[in-house]
Amino acid sequence: EAGVTQFPSHSVIEKGQTVTLRCDPISGHDNLYWYRRVMGKEIKFLLHFVKESKQDESGMPNNRFLAERTGGTYSTLKVQPAELEDSGVYFCASSQEGTGSEAFFGQGTRLTVV
Amino acid sequence: GQNIDQPTEMTATEGAIVQINCTYQTSGFNGLFWYQQHAGEAPTFLSYNVLDGLEEKGRFSSFLSRSKGYSYLLLKELQMKDSASYLCAVIRNAGNMLTFGGGTRLMVKP
Repeated sequence: EAGVTQFPSHSVIEKGQTVTLRCDPISGHDNLYWYRRVMGKEIKFLLHFVKESKQDESGMPNNRFLAERTGGTYSTLKVQPAELEDSGVYFCASSQEGTGSEAFFGQGTRLTVV
Repeated sequence: GQNIDQPTEMTATEGAIVQINCTYQTSGFNGLFWYQQHAGEAPTFLSYNVLDGLEEKGRFSSFLSRSKGYSYLLLKELQMKDSASYLCAVIRNAGNMLTFGGGTRLMVKP
């Protein structure tokens, strides 16, 4: 069974540009999460989808970040316009329904804004 | 707010036992996860505790005390491949969103 896949694995963009990150969860997982780890800090929650609906987006830093999950399958996270402080590793995770279900993580997208 | 603390780094010897502690302060506690993460790879699930006590799984065990806001991950018979970061994460209330500690980087030496 394929795990959670993320694309691209690395992205280097200039300040002010736009970047779109993609996550393909494990098939059948209704829950999809985005997390971010900036240099030297802990992994932090960004938002949570249940199917195509945003369940919790309390972790989104500002309105430059837009996440979508059309059709309840893959998800995209767009950063527009990117700022230097957006650099970090963006992780996607998915899980089956139910509290305490193991979240399976992707390898992350390393975003560098220069 | 929430606070999850774990040591930044630990070093241990191959074949030995190491205990990685995690303390947390959070409202609506609903479970604690341990994840292992090798450099450049995805965090992978190790354990989940929601009730007090010890959960054993092969060389790895995880303990939880809800009253003390304390957990530990015990690694036995350490192998070089166990060198990695170990992440403690808490779930609150009915959601599945994880709140992570900063991670403990474990170095296993020959």
